[in-house]
Formats: sequence, structure tokens, C-alpha cells
Amino acid sequence: GAGVSQSPSNKVTEKGKDVELRCDPISGHTALYWYRQSLGQGLEFLIYFQGNSAPDKSGLPSDRFSAERTGGSVSTLTIQRTQQEDSAVYLCASSLTGGWVYTFGSGTRLTVV
Amino acid sequence: GESVGLHLPTLSVQEGDNSIINCAYSNSASDYFIWYKQESGKGPQFIIDIRSNMDKRQGQRVTVLLNKTVKHLSLQIAATQPGDSAVYFCAEAPGGYNKLIFGAGTRLAVHP
Repeated sequence: GAGVSQSPSNKVTEKGKDVELRCDPISGHTALYWYRQSLGQGLEFLIYFQGNSAPDKSGLPSDRFSAERTGGSVSTLTIQRTQQEDSAVYLCASSLTGGWVYTFGSGTRLTVV
Repeated sequence: GESVGLHLPTLSVQEGDNSIINCAYSNSASDYFIWYKQESGKGPQFIIDIRSNMDKRQGQRVTVLLNKTVKHLSLQIAATQPGDSAVYFCAEAPGGYNKLIFGAGTRLAVHP
């Protein structure tokens, strides 16, 4: 597609439920990143995928968070047993062969009630 | 101003004035820096970048200055317009790492 697409754009979930957030990167971009942005804060790195290499999971805050990327394209970020502190905007970005100029999606705003 | 919790530092300027947004970065080994603009409800958008072997780079109405001695980056916007109102983030690429590290952001408010 022309840009990075994320769905859903908004998600309200009850504490303890699992959620899945989806990211469609720009076609041909081999690198894909997930960041988290809490209200009024900067961007916190979560995970990085590059081609067929093992992902860099060093930013995932707990084992409740996981992500996968199928076929080198679409990625899903899963949060299990959501907590209120998980409420944030989850941003996905892609770049060409791991270059530093990222193209971001508009994010998924997650609210845990 | 200080950035504490929910409160981003805010720069208020009059339309037509020049704006200067500052950023202190953390890693002296960082070799690449980027400024992003984030409008409400959208993801960050690339504005301009600079490599560590440069101290100044100009784009259209924007200039980035890099001072490696004090680990300081600034973004200058000439003739600021209402459409420039957004949150601006600096980001650094520490050598050997796979990810950009973002600053906390500065909100730019442009008044007519």
C-alpha cells in the first residue's frame, strides 16, 4: 500500500482480556518496528523485525507482550491479560532495508478499562 | 520548561516568527539524528535528518544544527505557519543498535 496501515485505530478492552493489533507495512519495506507512546510521552521501542532475521525483542516490557511477522509483511502485536498501564498508542513503522527513515502508521489507541 | 509526566514542554510562537526547538541527546556514539513532526491523531512524520559528520543541514524552511560537544540538536523553522503546530521529536541512532531512540517531544503552538 501507499503507507503503513494499522488496525484497529481504536480499541477499548477490559482489564485481563487479550488484544491483537495489526500492522501492514509499506510493500517492499523489510524492516518493521513497534513503538508505544503513552499519553504526552515520547516513543518507547518495543520490537524490531528485519527480513528473516530473529527479531530484536529487547523493548518488550513483559512476557505478556509478543509479536510476530508473517511472510515478511503483516505484523501482529499481541498483549495478553491487559492491564491499565498498557493503555497507550501503539505505533508501527517500516523502513527500507533497515534504513533510519521510518514511515509510521497512525497508530492504534488502546484503552484498558 | 521541564517535561514531567503528562506535560510536554511547549513553545508558543506568533505566525511568521522563527521557531527553535531544542533537544539533548544521550549517546555520544550516536551517528545519525532525525527530527519528526507528529500532528494530533497521526503517526510521526520525517522532517529532516543529519549525520554526525555534519553540524548543519538545511531543508525547506527547516534547518537542523548539531553540536556534538554538548550533545545538543536543534530544529529551526523559518516563518512559522499555523500548519507547523504539532509535537516535534528528535531521535538518535546509537551505533550498533537496531532502533531509533526518541526524545520526549516539544509541543509547538503557533498563534495568528
